[in-house]
This record gives sequence, C-alpha cells and structure tokens, in this order.
Amino acid sequence: GAVVSQHPSRVICKSGTSVKIECRSLDFQATTMFWYRQFPKKSLMLMATSNEGSKATYEQGVEKDKFLINHASLTLSTLTVTSAHPEDSSFYICSAGQALSYEQYFGPGTRLTVT
Amino acid sequence: DQQVKQNSPSLSVQEGRISILNCDYTNSMFDYFLWYKKYPAEGPTFLISISSIKDKNEDGRFTVFLNKSAKHLSLHIVPSQPGDSAVYFCAASAGSGGYQKVTFGTGTKLQVIP
Repeated sequence: GAVVSQHPSRVICKSGTSVKIECRSLDFQATTMFWYRQFPKKSLMLMATSNEGSKATYEQGVEKDKFLINHASLTLSTLTVTSAHPEDSSFYICSAGQALSYEQYFGPGTRLTVT
Repeated sequence: DQQVKQNSPSLSVQEGRISILNCDYTNSMFDYFLWYKKYPAEGPTFLISISSIKDKNEDGRFTVFLNKSAKHLSLHIVPSQPGDSAVYFCAASAGSGGYQKVTFGTGTKLQVIP
C-alpha cells in the first residue's frame, strides 16, 4: 500500500504554545487528506477533510481557528494546534486518499502531550 | 450519535481458532465498509473491505461478511495467530462528494492467546 508519514511522532509542548504536525504522502499524490484524533478507548474521530488547494472542511464541534489545516500540495498537509491546552493532548492521525477512491492510507500518528 | 458500532470492546481467542469481530451500522447510505487493524501508538492499517453490492469478501485468512438487511458486518480471522492481537476498527463510507469520509467504530481489542 501507499506510504504516509507524519512528523513529529511525539511532541511535548507547554500550554499556550502552538504545535505543527506534518503529514506527507511519500509515493502518491493525495488529492484529499484527513485528520483524525483518537481519544483513549474511543474511536478515531474525524476532525477535518482537506483537499489540495482549498480550505479544509471541519467536522461539527471542531474549532477551525484552533486546529489550522493547510494542504498546500498534493503530498503535504499540516495540522497546527494553536494555543494548545492540556485537553488537546491526544493521538493525532492523518490519512491520505485519492478522489473517488474509498481507500485511505494512514500515517503512523503523532502523540501530542500538552503540559 | 454513533453510526458505526462495535459492541464488544474486547475479545480473546485461542491461537488456531476463529476470531469473529462484529460491527453494526445505522446509516443506510453507507455503501462501502472497511476493516482496519491498529497497534498501540501506530496509525491504522487497512485490512479488507467490502462494497454494499457484495455479501462476502475473502483475502487469505480474513473474510468480511455483510448483511445489509440487518446492517451488520463481521470480520472472520481463521486461523487466528498471536500477531493478530491488535485493535480492529470497523469503518463505513458513504462516498460523499467525490471524497470518501470514513466513519469509524469504537474498536474491538483482539487478543490471540498462544
């Protein structure tokens, strides 16, 4: 399957700072990238969908000003957690897909800890 | 509202036996279903999928069954191996607007006992 990378794999930041997470599709052009958040013992929750070159579509309840998503190219999407708080601590996973394809390829995830 | 449900949070199976993981959904617009396997601190890995026009899809040790009338699908793993121990997510998609938003279930943790 296709390879999707995320960087960093783990990050610890202080409350009030911003953190950027990168998601890259290494061997294919991803027209669509998705950002998920996983809470302990819960499902993967879709946060937003981004199509290359356009604004991200956020799911209900996700603050777009807090979770900034940029999809500037067909191989890179970034998620910036602004003014992070301890409750933002979570495991963030991106996935990449292509138009009209059901399959998504997931990155390895980023563990964010806000102290 | 949890549109995709996995009612068993965990399952233990002896090595060599069959593992059956179940999933129910409520949205009749879902037309494609997927199973993902996830190890701790890693992203999910695609396992197998099935379109709503089929009722069975098989890939090696993994078989997915779909019962549309019951809005139920199941993943069978046979024979189960210790390396299959992971969390399994059922997912469904309605193919919205040219890109496929996937809704995940809450996961079932499978433990295969050697």
